[in-house]
Amino acid sequence: RKEVEQDPGPFNVPEGATVAFNCTYSNSASQSFFWYRQDCRKEPKLLMSVYSSGNEDGRFTAQLNRASQYISLLIRDSKLSDSATYLCVVNPTGGFKTIFGAGTRLFVKA
Amino acid sequence: SQTIHQWPATLVQPVGSPLSLECTVEGTSNPNLYWYRQAAGRGLQLLFYSVGIGQISSEVPQNLSASRPQDRQFILSSKKLLLSDSGFYLCAWSELGDGKLFFGSGTQLSVL
Repeated sequence: RKEVEQDPGPFNVPEGATVAFNCTYSNSASQSFFWYRQDCRKEPKLLMSVYSSGNEDGRFTAQLNRASQYISLLIRDSKLSDSATYLCVVNPTGGFKTIFGAGTRLFVKA
Repeated sequence: SQTIHQWPATLVQPVGSPLSLECTVEGTSNPNLYWYRQAAGRGLQLLFYSVGIGQISSEVPQNLSASRPQDRQFILSSKKLLLSDSGFYLCAWSELGDGKLFFGSGTQLSVL
């Protein structure tokens, strides 16, 4: 089993739609969780951290479910500019071996 | 503010040739530094990380090596490139080692 698994997609949604991605992780001792965004042929950029209590940043909401070992990202009112690959990231031991998922591709269409 | 510089942006090298990629960070002291590789359509693979000058941890056995000759300089090298070394190489830094990474713009390496 992979340490971090994501549905590769692609997810094709119209502008204004709500879309959700899930990501599962295998190490129950994982400490820190993040979502990154990566545009084609560009570097990944931190989108948001994922806290146990959940957190929201504008149209983006991230949730953590420790019991089921998954994190989620919800995007409301999708924009064309949201088209990208979204990477689920887990820091297993609070140390340096940050694990990246392979990413979920999102296309937002006009 | 902190910035990270990585060069070159694109590199085409023949099999068996050497490699040197350089990364520098500005605006911070004693950062944690990382080299990742991303194969086409794949996730990021951690190659090396460093918590200080001269301290290198290798995650994947391969013909690559890394060095940190200065606090804010991280170098990825190879003596002889293989076809399988092709990929998108990313340097990153973090302050706390907690998963919040800030990446350079990457080097697309093609080994032919």
